[in-house]
Amino acid sequence: NAGVTQTPKFQVLKTGQSMTLQCAQDMNHEYMSWYRQDPGMGLRLIHYSVGAGITDQGEVPNGYNVSRSTTEDFPLRLLSAAPSQTSVYFCASRTGFSSYEQYFGPGTRLTVT
Amino acid sequence: ELKVEQNPLFLSMQEGKNYTIYCNYSTTSDRLYWYRQDPGKSLESLFVLLSNGAVKQEGRLMASLDTKARLSTLHITAAVHDLSATYFCAVDRAYNTDKLIFGTGTRLQVFP
Repeated sequence: NAGVTQTPKFQVLKTGQSMTLQCAQDMNHEYMSWYRQDPGMGLRLIHYSVGAGITDQGEVPNGYNVSRSTTEDFPLRLLSAAPSQTSVYFCASRTGFSSYEQYFGPGTRLTVT
Repeated sequence: ELKVEQNPLFLSMQEGKNYTIYCNYSTTSDRLYWYRQDPGKSLESLFVLLSNGAVKQEGRLMASLDTKARLSTLHITAAVHDLSATYFCAVDRAYNTDKLIFGTGTRLQVFP
C-alpha cells in the first residue's frame, strides 16, 4: 500500500490564483481530513469527510473547498489564493471501523506571494 | 470552545533523564491522540487513548489519560537523542467526527 499520498510536494502561487491540492489513499479509509500547519503551531482542521459524498467544515474553512466523489480521493481547492494561506497542508485518513488511528500524508508546502 | 494546551512548549533534557509532557483540554472528549513530528516531516501517530485511566506504552514513551481532570500525560523514560522531535496532543471536538483540535506542541531536545 502507498498509504496517503499528496501532490504536489511544493507549490508557489501568486495572489488570486486558484489550485487544487491532491490527496489520495489506498487503504479504503472512510474518514479523510485536511489540515494546515503554520510555523511553530499545531495543526488546524480545514475540512473533513466521513465518506464519499459527505464533507463538513473544520476550524478554518474559509477560502477552501472540498468534495469527495470517491472513497480514495479528497482534493482541496483554493479558490483565490491569499498570502495568509501560505502554510504546510497535510491530508489524513483513517478507517471508520474499530480503529481511530489517523495516517498522515507527507504534506504540501504552499507559498502564496 | 474546546482548547488544548500543552506544557512545556520547549523541553531540553539530558540523555538518561525522565520527564513528562502535559496536555490539558477544556471540554469533554472521547479521544485523545499523541503524535510525533520530526523537522520538515509529517506526523507519526504514537497513541490513541479512548477511556478514562487508559495507559499505553511504546518503548520509552508512556501515555495516560484522566478524563475527569481532562488531562493526558506523555512520560519519557531514560531519554535518548532519537526522541528529539516535536510532540503534539490532539482531542476530538465531537463524538467520532475527526474534528480534532491540536495543542501547540512540545519541542523536545535531548542532549548527551
